[in-house]
Amino acid sequence: DTGVSQDPRHKITKRGQNVTFRCDPISEHNRLYWYRQTLGQGPEFLTYFQNEAQLEKSRLLSDRFSAERPKGSFSTLEIQRTEQGDSAMYLCASSSPGAGASSYEQYFGPGTRLTVT
Amino acid sequence: LAKTTQPISMDSYEGQEVNITCSHNNIATNDYITWYQQFPSQGPRFIIQGYKTKVTNEVASLFIPADRKSSTLSLPRVSLSDTAVYYCLVGESSGTYKYIFGTGTRLKVLA
Repeated sequence: DTGVSQDPRHKITKRGQNVTFRCDPISEHNRLYWYRQTLGQGPEFLTYFQNEAQLEKSRLLSDRFSAERPKGSFSTLEIQRTEQGDSAMYLCASSSPGAGASSYEQYFGPGTRLTVT
Repeated sequence: LAKTTQPISMDSYEGQEVNITCSHNNIATNDYITWYQQFPSQGPRFIIQGYKTKVTNEVASLFIPADRKSSTLSLPRVSLSDTAVYYCLVGESSGTYKYIFGTGTRLKVLA
């Protein structure tokens, strides 16, 4: 078990370009979460999946953001027409089955740092 | 949407016990309270999780009162390597369900 991995670790893009990030969860975890963290702030919840189903989306996840988890394993987060305000660390986490929708021991990856110039 | 609040910063000396409190008025009935440690440019690292009363593991204790509207992370005998930002994480159900991190407490351990 190598933990949660994210790719790329760093991404620099120009405003208006599209970017896609990948997250590979811990293999036996069926829940996967995406968060965004700006400098000096705590992580902000974006969305989460249980298997391939996207169960919740934050209002932070505008129409330019889309997340998928097509086979219930890895997930991708795409940002279209990036803006400078999208510059942040994008964190992925996964968890094993828990009761209801509890925040049951989410394990985080190292994050993808996005810089939009 | 209520915020989950924590003290902004704390200083401590090596070997002391540190207690960090998180206020979470809107915690969902079935949800757990989880605490994380984060170093710069890294993802949060799991410390401890609990639902009620007291939980202890090899690195920390977590105290949760009966009303569950707050929780306290206790770090016994901190060392310089415990200098980090500490976050609580709770679920919150207010229309839709989401996960809310606390505002974070920057702990500085001094020699």
